[in-house]
Amino acid sequence: DAGVIQSPRHEVTEMGQEVTLRCKPISGHNSLFWYRQTMMRGLELLIYFNNNVPIDDSGMPEDRFSAKMPNASFSTLKIQPSEPRDSAVYFCASSLRDIGGYTFGSGTRLTVV
Amino acid sequence: SQQGEEDPQALSIQEGENATMNCSYKTSINNLQWYRQNSGRGLVHLILIRSNEREKHSGRLRVTLDTSKKSSSLLITASRAADTASYFCATDNGNTGKLIFGQGTTLQVKP
Repeated sequence: DAGVIQSPRHEVTEMGQEVTLRCKPISGHNSLFWYRQTMMRGLELLIYFNNNVPIDDSGMPEDRFSAKMPNASFSTLKIQPSEPRDSAVYFCASSLRDIGGYTFGSGTRLTVV
Repeated sequence: SQQGEEDPQALSIQEGENATMNCSYKTSINNLQWYRQNSGRGLVHLILIRSNEREKHSGRLRVTLDTSKKSSSLLITASRAADTASYFCATDNGNTGKLIFGQGTTLQVKP
């Protein structure tokens, strides 16, 4: 297995633009998580899905953020419109619920100028 | 909000020495996990210890868990320069299936 695959690896965009981050979890994993990492706030859980269904989106900072998981092999995190304070590294992770141990992707480094 | 808090925030040792990192948490847990993050990379799962376990080993890693004190420690023995990374503890309370991460300990192992 190639692991959790995220794209793009780097994204630089202008304030106000829409940004879409993509994630392909490990085949067979039934839970998917989106995290954001910054120096100031560390790793923050934004949203997670179980069997493609959003379970907890309480970490999503604002309505500008949305996430979808249309099927078991794909998820997106969208920011519209983007703002400079959204600059961070966004990680996707997947796991097999109740087995433990997340597998993280390499992350998307987002810079909003 | 952060559940786990690592201590120390930063640790610098010589190659061959042991490194100990501590993690404290606030609520009851189902399991506690440790992850490593190399600079510019994603997190890598190291070890999971369940709430009914007190100690676990994996290679040069030793993890302890004290649920009465709500704390855990990660010991890396005979450290190597390649162990240089940030180490995070994360807790799973078992009800939600989600992991909450601490702020991490940055370990530098000098050759």
